Amino acid sequence: TQLLEQSPQFLSIQEGENLTVYCNSSSVFSSLQWYRQEPGEGPVLLVTVVTGGEVKKLKRLTFQFGDARKDSSLHITAAQTGDTGLYLCAGDGDSNYQLIWGAGTKLIIKP
Amino acid sequence: DTGVSQDPRHKITKRGQNVTFRCDPISEHNRLYWYRQTLGQGPEFLTYFQNEAQLEKSRLLSDRFSAERPKGSFSTLEIQRTEQGDSAMYLCASTPGTAGTEAFFGQGTRLTVV
Repeated sequence: TQLLEQSPQFLSIQEGENLTVYCNSSSVFSSLQWYRQEPGEGPVLLVTVVTGGEVKKLKRLTFQFGDARKDSSLHITAAQTGDTGLYLCAGDGDSNYQLIWGAGTKLIIKP
Repeated sequence: DTGVSQDPRHKITKRGQNVTFRCDPISEHNRLYWYRQTLGQGPEFLTYFQNEAQLEKSRLLSDRFSAERPKGSFSTLEIQRTEQGDSAMYLCASTPGTAGTEAFFGQGTRLTVV
């Protein structure tokens, strides 16, 4: 069974600080996606990483896919209150249609 | 097309009642998913359609749940004889059905069973 574990489950930091959240598995994934979800809304896709070792940047967010394609990280530089939300990772499952979801990291950025 | 839309946004129902939710996916997407999400958790897969065909249903899904996508466009999710444990956010997502599986979600329907 493919599983994705996200850590930490919860993170609360001050505005301006840096942070990293992780998405780990013992399984290999052909790609991983990161989503952000705000309360009462559906998840919104941030990025997809496909190649082992790939690094993608989205403004202050840096996403990395592990060399072995088993893990990924999200680094936020100089966090802002607008970064607050639930960050979810999802990977392509063994089937050709289903995503495997992590439980998410709930991030709170305090002003 | 402005994205995936779900209706209603919120539903409060008494235990034992039936409820039906609607999802309108992005028009050119042929894959449609229903998920359930509880507080602090990631989305839990319920069922999947490719066009009008329901190709997979979670083994964890009670027989009280049924979904349709009659013309390969919008979909409905019905829960019969609701229980308090059914209280959750019900999310619909669509994907293009090509090699990419990036999901585009609706805003969800928040169900509260009292």
